[in-house]
Amino acid sequence: AQSVTQLDSHVSVSEGTPVLLRCNYSSSYSPSLFWYVQHPNKGLQLLLKYTSAATLVKGINGFEAEFKKSETSFHLTKPSAHMSDAAEYFCVVNTGTASKLTFGTGTRLQVTL
Amino acid sequence: EPEVTQTPSHQVTQMGQEVILRCVPISNHLYFYWYRQILGQKVEFLVSFYNNEISEKSEIFDDQFSVERPDGSNFTLKIRSTKLEDSAMYFCASSVSGTSGSVRDTQYFGPGTRLTVL
Repeated sequence: AQSVTQLDSHVSVSEGTPVLLRCNYSSSYSPSLFWYVQHPNKGLQLLLKYTSAATLVKGINGFEAEFKKSETSFHLTKPSAHMSDAAEYFCVVNTGTASKLTFGTGTRLQVTL
Repeated sequence: EPEVTQTPSHQVTQMGQEVILRCVPISNHLYFYWYRQILGQKVEFLVSFYNNEISEKSEIFDDQFSVERPDGSNFTLKIRSTKLEDSAMYFCASSVSGTSGSVRDTQYFGPGTRLTVL
């Protein structure tokens, strides 16, 4: 069985300050882990993906995530938030040969001036 | 850059009617998926499809639902008799591979079809 837990349903940061969105996963096998972003009234866009090649993964728009097996975590970070980062962020896991993705409940990121 | 497309963007239907949601996956992809997101809830897997057959489906995907690849480019989701609780955003996705851990298993999503059942 696989699952993800996003520890915060809502995060608010000021523009220019760091972003941290937390995700813990549970998996019976070596997982592939993803972060997707959903802007209002838009579809799901892939931010980044971990596939065991490197534990620190860099994605689009300055985001990155670090896979920590000992902590079963895959937190998403960005050094400096921008107003355009305001969106819903989903941590997603895919394990074994099952092709389905399992989504977390999402974290809504609010960026204020 | 290739992308997954979906039509229509918004579909309104009466309860009990049949609807067909259409998707055009990325052309060299072999695995196709449908997910749904009920308003305010998380994205849920419905079904995966490979080599003209369903490879996995969730408990949500009951006999009211069916999928088809009618030609070389389209991938459709049919709901035979819609219910109020079918109202949701439906996302189509595709990937080159279906095996986790491969660099080719990344699923690319379309913009979604918002289905409203009245």
